[in-house]
Amino acid sequence: EIVLTQSPGTLSLSPGERVTLSCRASQSVSNNLLAWYQQKPGQAPRLLIYGVSTRATGIPDRFSGSGSGTDFTLNINRLEPEDFAVYYCQQYGRYPRTFGQGTKVEIK
Amino acid sequence: EVQVVQSGTELKKTGATVKIPCKVSGRKLTDYYMHWVRQAPGKGLEWVGLVDPENGETKYAETFQGRVTITADTSIETVYLQLRSLRSDDTAVYYCALEDLTVLRGGWFDPWGQGTLVTVSS
Repeated sequence: EIVLTQSPGTLSLSPGERVTLSCRASQSVSNNLLAWYQQKPGQAPRLLIYGVSTRATGIPDRFSGSGSGTDFTLNINRLEPEDFAVYYCQQYGRYPRTFGQGTKVEIK
Repeated sequence: EVQVVQSGTELKKTGATVKIPCKVSGRKLTDYYMHWVRQAPGKGLEWVGLVDPENGETKYAETFQGRVTITADTSIETVYLQLRSLRSDDTAVYYCALEDLTVLRGGWFDPWGQGTLVTVSS
């Protein structure tokens, strides 16, 4: 099983700041089959990024993903009020499909 | 546009069985794998398993082997998650989510249902 470890656990930031979230895999994620999801309280997760760096339909370009192998990053330029949420990475290259434990981005 | 619809809540006793439906509209169910993911209160996302509605083949997380069955009824574009021998730590929101088989190098989950809260108590 591929274990995904996200860091930090929580980030306290102000609107307008830049965010960098990390996702580290216990083994190489084949063919960069890694996605990021955003989840707000009381809502289902929403796909942000797939294939490490491709934004899903309707996702603003302030969100970007990068990385390869075992180290991946989600960046958010200029935090908007609606971006305060929990973010999860997921690998979909192998079974079982696994998620990181999440990073909470909260308002400072 | 494909949509995934789930029912609201289920309240079950310890040891009981729950069967949760998830209905797809807008596209054929057989264009997708349907996955189930659960989220315990205040916790992260945990993959439960999937079904290929085309042939009924399934894969399950080891944690749930022997207690879970995922089935699909393509005549009504609906997938079911059945979990047996419920325990208090099965209390969670259960989400269904689609994996599009028509895209190259796919596998991500999109869209997700709104979730079904299953509460297990004695």
